[in-house]
Amino acid sequence: DVKVTQSSRYLVKRTGEKVFLECVQDMDHENMFWYRQDPGLGLRLIYFSYDVKMKEKGDIPEGYSVSREKKERFSLILESASTNQTSMYLCASSPSSGSDEQYFGPGTRLTVT
Amino acid sequence: GNSVTQMEGPVTLSEEAFLTINCTYTATGYPSLFWYVQYPGEGLQLLLKATKADDKGSNKGFEATYRKETTSFHLEKGSVQVSDSAVYFCALIPSGGYQKVTFGTGTKLQVIP
Repeated sequence: DVKVTQSSRYLVKRTGEKVFLECVQDMDHENMFWYRQDPGLGLRLIYFSYDVKMKEKGDIPEGYSVSREKKERFSLILESASTNQTSMYLCASSPSSGSDEQYFGPGTRLTVT
Repeated sequence: GNSVTQMEGPVTLSEEAFLTINCTYTATGYPSLFWYVQYPGEGLQLLLKATKADDKGSNKGFEATYRKETTSFHLEKGSVQVSDSAVYFCALIPSGGYQKVTFGTGTKLQVIP
């Protein structure tokens, strides 16, 4: 089975802190994605990557950056966390060819105080 | 741009009731359409999909038919169970869309015994 893991299920950070959210997938997928999930807004794409060291902005990239140094790992970085970044963050991966299904991690619930 | 509109929840049903969750979309060309499900405390997982007009996706007793003429992909199940309680997301990938998914806002389903 495809497995996507995220480094933390729950995280509490203070305003202004630098925050790293890590995502690892074990199926050699080329594509990886970061979403945030908020009530009434569904999932919104922050960044995605279709290859190592490649990244593309999604719909809401402001205040975030990403890093993909290895194929299996995709990191989301909040350079200076703010309270409006309190949210559920979901990582996903998918292969470049064949099925277009995305495989999701369990999510990280981030609270910024 | 692309968009997905699904009925607001929560939807509360008694066990063995019939379920319909409406989903309509806006996209050019022929997108692929999906239903994802998110059980409490978990990430999303693919429930079913359809990739061309008049296709019917089905899984675990759920069905949805790709209706190009009404730009709809309504989710149905003939007899829901308590274990179907979850949040359901309708989604699309536009043709040639590099797997960039547009999600609806989600519909929470609660099934009571």
